[in-house]
This record gives sequence, structure tokens and C-alpha cells, in this order.
Amino acid sequence: LAKTTQPISMDSYEGQEVNITCSHNNIATNDYITWYQQFPSQGPRFIIQGYKTKVTNEVASLFIPADRKSSTLSLPRVSLSDTAVYYCLVGGRNTGGFKTIFGAGTRLFVKA
Amino acid sequence: EPEVTQTPSHQVTQMGQEVILRCVPISNHLYFYWYRQILGQKVEFLVSFYNNEISEKSEIFDDQFSVERPDGSNFTLKIRSTKLEDSAMYFCASSDPGQGAFEQYFGPGTRLTVT
Repeated sequence: LAKTTQPISMDSYEGQEVNITCSHNNIATNDYITWYQQFPSQGPRFIIQGYKTKVTNEVASLFIPADRKSSTLSLPRVSLSDTAVYYCLVGGRNTGGFKTIFGAGTRLFVKA
Repeated sequence: EPEVTQTPSHQVTQMGQEVILRCVPISNHLYFYWYRQILGQKVEFLVSFYNNEISEKSEIFDDQFSVERPDGSNFTLKIRSTKLEDSAMYFCASSDPGQGAFEQYFGPGTRLTVT
């Protein structure tokens, strides 16, 4: 499984766009990039998954450059309720995902 | 929207006792997982389960742990002889083979307190 590196914490203000970057230099050809969100005392929640270029859903966008050695989760116009820990995971969609290793994640604090 | 459910929400037990944590995964999912999270720490993988057998397990998942899918809907985690350090949130998750094993849906968790 590819190792990932994310900032430990980030601060933002309500209404701003937040970009969290994850480095995964050893990503394999068949690896996908997946992001989860976790609120205190709750289980992680799947946000978005991608393989290359850009993926967008109703919650976030995921930007993946051509070399795929990093990815950026973009949260548009954050609110106080987006304060959470965000995890970047990298692995094979149907193989490596069986042993899902969460890192420390990025703690996002959204201020009023 | 379908969701993973877990019972109980909170379990208090004495050291050395056996506990069974229960989960009902999303009905059409075929991959099942257990994780734990000690307060203030990261989410730790325990075990994955597919086709009625363990697919992967971590170093944490030693002989005191076992998993079972006793019927078509439940997925259980048994801890045979609990220790103080087993106190944690335990999360169950499931995933759909069509969406991939990394797109997992987590339950609300069971908080296990060992005294």
C-alpha cells in the first residue's frame, strides 16, 4: 500500500475554499485515491474517490495531476460543520482495499 | 439511504469478560470490516471479511478476536477476554464489490469501555 503524507492540521474561515493536499509518491498503476471525513465520535464517511484528472461530486472535488504522485481535496465554501479530520488513502480498488490503513489525517478547523 | 448499523452503541464490561459487538452491513455489500479507534488516536484496521472468510487482518487482531457472519445480515466481532487496552470505539464497515473495497460505508460505532 502506498504511503501517504498530509498536513497535520489546517485552519480556515467560513465561506472560504479549502484545499488539502496529500502526497503519495509511491502510488501504483492500479491504485485509486480515496478521501474520507470523520467527525468526533463518528465513523469515517466516504467523500470522494478518483484515479486521474478531476472528479467532482456534491460535496467536494478531487484534483489529481498527471503523475498521480499527489492529490488535492477541494472543499468549496466551507462552513463550521466541515470541521473534521480528513483522511487520504491510496490503494488498489479491489485488492489493497481489503487492508485499509488510515493515517493520522488532516484536522481541519473552520472558524466563524 | 441504506446505512450500516451497530449495536450496542455503548458497552461496559469488566476485564476478562467476553463481548460481542454486532453490525448489520448494507444489504447488497459483500466486503465487511472491523476497525477500532482509541480515544484521540487514528482509526486502526482490524480485519476484513469476504466470502465467509477473513481476507486480511492486522497485528492487533490476535487470538482473542474473532469475526463471524452467523446469518445473512449480521456481522459480529467477538473479544474473548477483554483487557483494559481494548477500550475504544469499534467501527464496522461494508463495501460493494462494484464500487470497490476502498469505498467503504461505516457504522456509527460501539464504544467499548473495559473496567
